[in-house]
Amino acid sequence: QVQLQESGPGLVQPSATLSLTCTVSSDFVSRSIYYWTWIRQPPGKALEWIGYVYDIDNTNYTPSLKSRVTISLDKSKKQFSLKLTSVTAADTAVYYCARGVLSWGYFDSWGQGTLVTVSS
Amino acid sequence: EVVMTQSPATVSVSPGERATLSCRASQSVSNYVAWYQHKPGQAPRLLIHHASTRAIGIPARFSGSGSGTEFTLTISSLQSEDFAVYYCQQYNNWPRTFGQGTKVEIK
Repeated sequence: QVQLQESGPGLVQPSATLSLTCTVSSDFVSRSIYYWTWIRQPPGKALEWIGYVYDIDNTNYTPSLKSRVTISLDKSKKQFSLKLTSVTAADTAVYYCARGVLSWGYFDSWGQGTLVTVSS
Repeated sequence: EVVMTQSPATVSVSPGERATLSCRASQSVSNYVAWYQHKPGQAPRLLIHHASTRAIGIPARFSGSGSGTEFTLTISSLQSEDFAVYYCQQYNNWPRTFGQGTKVEIK
């Protein structure tokens, strides 16, 4: 069973870039039937799908964040990453990485999540 | 984007009783709805996909139904480990969207 683990700074300065990494426990990242996703949950709000990457250079992002977000995949390290530029307090959230099955849009494995606070 | 609205926000249930959770989509999403269980400090867990198909390893007391805009998750006989927050998600449209969640608490 695949496991995912988020890592990265818990505190980010306003206007800086938020960077997170998700490490996948197996070679599933090499299989093109899966896509690798970031989801976040601001305090007291709903889960928000951020975007995904699969097969290195295929990405899709939610329109509201598209101008600020980049998701990339490193198969050799079994990792995928999230970069979100020009952050504000509104980007404070628990960030989750998750695996989706390419043919469908649900997420069958998730990380535990990591809280990122944007504050000076 | 498709707005998913869950009700109620909180439901209080005694162990052994049935819990019924609702999810409404702002437009038809066919049967492309998933349900997740989330406990504090843990990874969310996929329970149901395609509105009514249980994920691997999910007990039979969890069942899903619905199509179009109205969906239901039923837990037939609540066990102590079932007290958690439950989310619905649609995957018929981009971007993927989730409901606000329903908290199932002990009565």
